[in-house]
Amino acid sequence: DIQMTQSPSSLSASVGDRVTINCRASQSISSYLNWYQQKPGKAPKVLIYAASSLQSGVPSRFSGSGSGTDFTLTISSLQPEDFATYYCQQTYRTSRTFGPGTKVEN
Amino acid sequence: EVQLVESGGGLVQPGRSLRLSCAASGFTFDDYAMHWVRQAPGKGLEWVSGISWNSGVIDYADSVKGRFTVSRDNAKNSLYLQMNSLRAEDTALYYCARLGFDSSGFYYYFDFWGQGTLVTVSS
Repeated sequence: DIQMTQSPSSLSASVGDRVTINCRASQSISSYLNWYQQKPGKAPKVLIYAASSLQSGVPSRFSGSGSGTDFTLTISSLQPEDFATYYCQQTYRTSRTFGPGTKVEN
Repeated sequence: EVQLVESGGGLVQPGRSLRLSCAASGFTFDDYAMHWVRQAPGKGLEWVSGISWNSGVIDYADSVKGRFTVSRDNAKNSLYLQMNSLRAEDTALYYCARLGFDSSGFYYYFDFWGQGTLVTVSS
């Protein structure tokens, strides 16, 4: 199975900050990488698919980059509603594994 | 409007069985693969199982392989997860999710999720 790791596991940031979250796959997954946002008590919501494609309706302050094994989610200017946990997910294999998550806190 | 509604969760003793259901509406169910994802209390997301549109491709996480069985009934727009030999570590909120795809058909992502059904395994 493909293992996904994320760093950092948590970070403290303020409104207006630029935030970067990293994700690494245990083997090359090309661009088969998605990013999700989850808020407490809610189901996850997809932000980015195919490593860098913005899902419809998602603010443009969110962006994704990378390919192969190393990926990055960037929030260009953190907004109050962005405090949440972010997960990466590979869809290269049929076992669609997630990373352990990164909690963005105030 | 796409809706996914899970049911069947509850409190169950270790070693016993439970069957989860996910009722889908608002889209052509048999156009999509469907998956189960779980989240233990205070923990991250764990992919559990997936099934292709025609049940031809099925996969499981190693943690549930041999104990859980995923199935679907396209005539009833429903997804199921039969969970046997339950363990304390199976305690989680279980989500069903639709595997959407981009316009190229090459890239997949979970575009719709239910609100989850809670399974608690405890004596």
